[in-house]
Amino acid sequence: AQSVAQPEDQVNVAEGNPLTVKCTYSVSGNPYLFWYVQYPNRGLQFLLKYITGDNLVKGSYGFEAEFNKSQTSFHLKKPSALVSDSALYFCAVRDRGRDDKIIFGKGTRLHILP
Amino acid sequence: DAGVTQSPTHLIKTRGQQVTLRCSPKSGHDTVSWYQQALGQGPQFIFQYYEEEERQRGNFPDRFSGHQFPNYSSELNVNALLLGDSALYLCASSLVTSQETQYFGPGTRLLVL
Repeated sequence: AQSVAQPEDQVNVAEGNPLTVKCTYSVSGNPYLFWYVQYPNRGLQFLLKYITGDNLVKGSYGFEAEFNKSQTSFHLKKPSALVSDSALYFCAVRDRGRDDKIIFGKGTRLHILP
Repeated sequence: DAGVTQSPTHLIKTRGQQVTLRCSPKSGHDTVSWYQQALGQGPQFIFQYYEEEERQRGNFPDRFSGHQFPNYSSELNVNALLLGDSALYLCASSLVTSQETQYFGPGTRLLVL
């Protein structure tokens, strides 16, 4: 069965520093991988996705993520954090060889400290 | 271009009651998926509709049912509400031919007392 793990409930980063939010996944086939962000009392906003091709994916708001097949990871990164990046981040996976269900991780709360 | 819309935004019900939540997909999208997001958790897949039929279902009881209309909008119905059904219910739309990206609505927050 497919699954997603976000090992950190919360990540604190000083403004201007680089940030990383970790995600590992498990699928039986090849994955589609996604990152979404959720602001308080809002739905999920799409940030970026990995489908195929270049392992480094660039997305919205200066975020990027690196697909690492050997480590089954898809960590979210940004070179310089902004206070406005503070939010709840979800990693998600879909097993492209099986069905259309997208499985979400539990989320990581990112706090950017001014 | 309107995004995904959901109604109502908030709802309060009592145990045993029934509730209907509504979703209009992003313009041009034909597939609607529903998710339940409990407090402090990630979204959990409930089911997906395409061509007015349920294509897939997650691990939710039969109390959760849905419908898709010819204009692609969708309803989520929950019968015999339990306290544990209190959550944010999210609707996401996509194209069946391009399902890798789903676009989410703002959600309906349901409180069961």
